Amino acid sequence: TQLLEQSPQFLSIQEGENLTVYCNSSSVFSSLQWYRQEPGEGPVLLVTVVTGGEVKKLKRLTFQFGDARKDSSLHITAAQPGDTGLYLCAGASLGNTDKLIFGTGTRLQVFP
Amino acid sequence: DAGVIQSPRHEVTEMGQEVTLRCKPISGHNSLFWYRQTMMRGLELLIYFNNNVPIDDSGMPEDRFSAKMPNASFSTLKIQPSEPRDSAVYFCASSFGSGRARDEQFFGPGTRLTVL
Repeated sequence: TQLLEQSPQFLSIQEGENLTVYCNSSSVFSSLQWYRQEPGEGPVLLVTVVTGGEVKKLKRLTFQFGDARKDSSLHITAAQPGDTGLYLCAGASLGNTDKLIFGTGTRLQVFP
Repeated sequence: DAGVIQSPRHEVTEMGQEVTLRCKPISGHNSLFWYRQTMMRGLELLIYFNNNVPIDDSGMPEDRFSAKMPNASFSTLKIQPSEPRDSAVYFCASSFGSGRARDEQFFGPGTRLTVL
């Protein structure tokens, strides 16, 4: 069974601080996605990374896919209250069944 | 444009009752996914359809769960009989393509199910 462990599980920070969320697995994924989910809503895709070592930036968010395509990180610079939410990584499994495996999630709270 | 539509948004029922959750995917999308989210297990794929055909139902927990997609604009997830451990938020998502995992999936707002 492919598992994606995220750390930390919970993070409470002040506005303006930087933070990094990690997504780790012992399995290799063909691609990896990051989602943000707000209370009462479904997850919304932020980014998809495909190539090992790939780095993508989305305003203050920087996403990196590990060289071996087993792990990923999300770095937020100068966090704002609007960044508050549940961050989920999701890996596209290799093999016959091409489906997403979601990580355990990181719940971020940014205080003004 | 309307996103993925799910109904009802909230459902409270008693153990043993039948529950039917409904989903209308985004028009033009040809892949549809049903997920379940709980605190303990996170977000899990139950089943997905491509062009109305079930492709992978290995995530369906047991025979009490069934899903149908009679046409491109409608799908149902049925639980019969329901049990307290089925309490969760159920999400429907749709995408355009062959249902590959890397295709962007658009999620609905979810149905919060509580089985007493």
